[in-house]
Amino acid sequence: NAGVMQNPRHLVRRRGQEARLRCSPMKGHSHVYWYRQLPEEGLKFMVYLQKENIIDESGMPKERFSAEFPKEGPSILRIQQVVRGDSAAYFCASSPPGKINEKLFFGSGTQLSVL
Amino acid sequence: KNEVEQSPQNLTAQEGEFITINCSYSVGISALHWLQQHPGGGIVSLFMLSSGKKKHGRLIATINIQEKHSSLHITASHPRDSAVYICATNTGNQFYFGTGTSLTVIP
Repeated sequence: NAGVMQNPRHLVRRRGQEARLRCSPMKGHSHVYWYRQLPEEGLKFMVYLQKENIIDESGMPKERFSAEFPKEGPSILRIQQVVRGDSAAYFCASSPPGKINEKLFFGSGTQLSVL
Repeated sequence: KNEVEQSPQNLTAQEGEFITINCSYSVGISALHWLQQHPGGGIVSLFMLSSGKKKHGRLIATINIQEKHSSLHITASHPRDSAVYICATNTGNQFYFGTGTSLTVIP
């Protein structure tokens, strides 16, 4: 049973390009969370999704950032027109259906570097 | 919003020492989590607790709901315990994270 899979592990983009980060939750998990970890800061909640639904996106910047979790395939965090301040580690976590207070299972993260 | 504070920020210990990391939070929660983040970034969930005490190997986590405080203890510390330990609280699907305690265990 594979864990939470994120790819790519490292992503380098120039300012103005788009970044797409992928997250495949653990088998059987239908809740996906995205977090951002800026250098020297703690993890910050971005968005919580269930299959085909955004449940809570209160942590997402209003512009340039979007997330989806389609019926088939991984969850995608998309950052358009990246800026240097978007450089961070982006973590995805998943949990089973109906158990949002259970342990979160984290992916290894995607380190985004914007040049 | 829950303010999650951890102390100390950095901790260096000799192998074999008993280690305590503290976490306090500001509002009532559904559960508190202790996470471990190794160099290279991977995050592992160590404990989820809502009351009392849990033990796993050399790790012990306790929580005092009335005082809004939790501690993570490591007995007989080992260099492989070197990592960042993160306290997180959740209420429903809202998770709040401390900034972490960086632990270095010296042989």
